[in-house]
Amino acid sequence: DTAVSQTPKYLVTQMGNDKSIKCEQNLGHDTMYWYKQDSKKFLKIMFSYNNKELIINETVPNRFSPKSPDKAHLNLHINSLELGDSAVYFCASSQDSVLAEKLFFGSGTQLSVL
Amino acid sequence: QKEVEQDPGPLSVPEGAIVSLNCTYSNSAFQYFMWYRQYSRKGPELLMYTYSSGNKEDGRFTAQVDKSSKYISLFIRDSQPSDSATYLCAMSQGAQKLVFGQGTRLTINP
Repeated sequence: DTAVSQTPKYLVTQMGNDKSIKCEQNLGHDTMYWYKQDSKKFLKIMFSYNNKELIINETVPNRFSPKSPDKAHLNLHINSLELGDSAVYFCASSQDSVLAEKLFFGSGTQLSVL
Repeated sequence: QKEVEQDPGPLSVPEGAIVSLNCTYSNSAFQYFMWYRQYSRKGPELLMYTYSSGNKEDGRFTAQVDKSSKYISLFIRDSQPSDSATYLCAMSQGAQKLVFGQGTRLTINP
């Protein structure tokens, strides 16, 4: 049973389109995250939610909007996709916001914007 | 200068060798130090977790933190082909925001 699962695994789309990535965790964790890994493998935090409440919002364009319907789900919606958005997006969770260093990651969504 | 510097490699060693992976950092406020392992097309998984300075051992893996030098290391003894992966160091001040290194791509040759 996958602990942190995200869909889709691959996403190929045209510039200007709107797309969503979904994430679910079955670990009973309180905190969920979105990370972006660029082509040079740098992994950077984008957002963090604790019990459905946004607690970290890094310098990310407004075109990116996270949504947490409940503490087991965190989705990422991206409007007006640009070439520079091409990357691998990872969802992650941690037991709570205190033990934030022990992250459990999903397998990633490879986003390619053409 | 990046907050966390890590040589991306690639690093290729024969099976059975001792592997040394390192990161340096500039933020003296970092207190938590982690090593994550990432296999190709997978998410990172936590390998080692250390608070403050010192050593931590887990099987064939040893993590070392030297806060005075702002330097952390991961040693892998008796390396196996299954250890082939990208190893990312990560650190934080305890405020949830982990800062990751670029990752070192390691290949263990049978």
